[in-house]
Amino acid sequence: AQTVTQSQPEMSVQEAETVTLSCTYDTSESNYYLFWYKQPPSRQMILVIRQEAYKQQNATENRFSVNFQKAAKSFSLKISDSQLGDTAMYFCAFTVDSSYKLIFGSGTRLLVRP
Amino acid sequence: AAGVIQSPRHLIKEKRETATLKCYPIPRHDTVYWYQQGPGQDPQFLISFYEKMQSDKGSIPDRFSAQQFSDYHSELNMSSLELGDSALYFCASSHRDKEFYEQYFGPGTRLTVT
Repeated sequence: AQTVTQSQPEMSVQEAETVTLSCTYDTSESNYYLFWYKQPPSRQMILVIRQEAYKQQNATENRFSVNFQKAAKSFSLKISDSQLGDTAMYFCAFTVDSSYKLIFGSGTRLLVRP
Repeated sequence: AAGVIQSPRHLIKEKRETATLKCYPIPRHDTVYWYQQGPGQDPQFLISFYEKMQSDKGSIPDRFSAQQFSDYHSELNMSSLELGDSALYFCASSHRDKEFYEQYFGPGTRLTVT
């Protein structure tokens, strides 16, 4: 079975601080792709960052970076210099070559405090 | 840049009625995905189409059907609506030959069944 687990239902961080959201996944496929999506109160699904499993280098997009540990099947998201606009639900997801559908975790609700 | 368009954005139906949701993918995208997100839940994959053919099927009820047309837009038809069908329905699109694993989401259609 292919699953994604986000063990932190809610997190809170002070503005300008750094926060890390955890994600673990399970798949027997060798080629897959990992994503973090942000869903603000508008409910729009916004792609934050992606990581190809065959790449060892961790992906980075401005203030967002990941810590990809393939052996541990872990894919955490670090948000640096948190901003009020980062307040949202964050979903970890992955897809495999054999089926391009996204499999999502249950999400982590992040609150950035002023 | 053009994004995924979904219509209508909001829809209110009564039990046992029928609803049709439409999705217009990003130009030159050949794959369309449908997801259902219930209140407080993560998005669940329903069905996908590649080049107008069904490519994968998830937890889509038999009361639902979908298709992709020659202009690549897709429609999700929902019959005998139940209260439990109330959810946010997302359409996403991607291109198989270019970053095929990256899906771009539309704003969603919020369906309320009363």
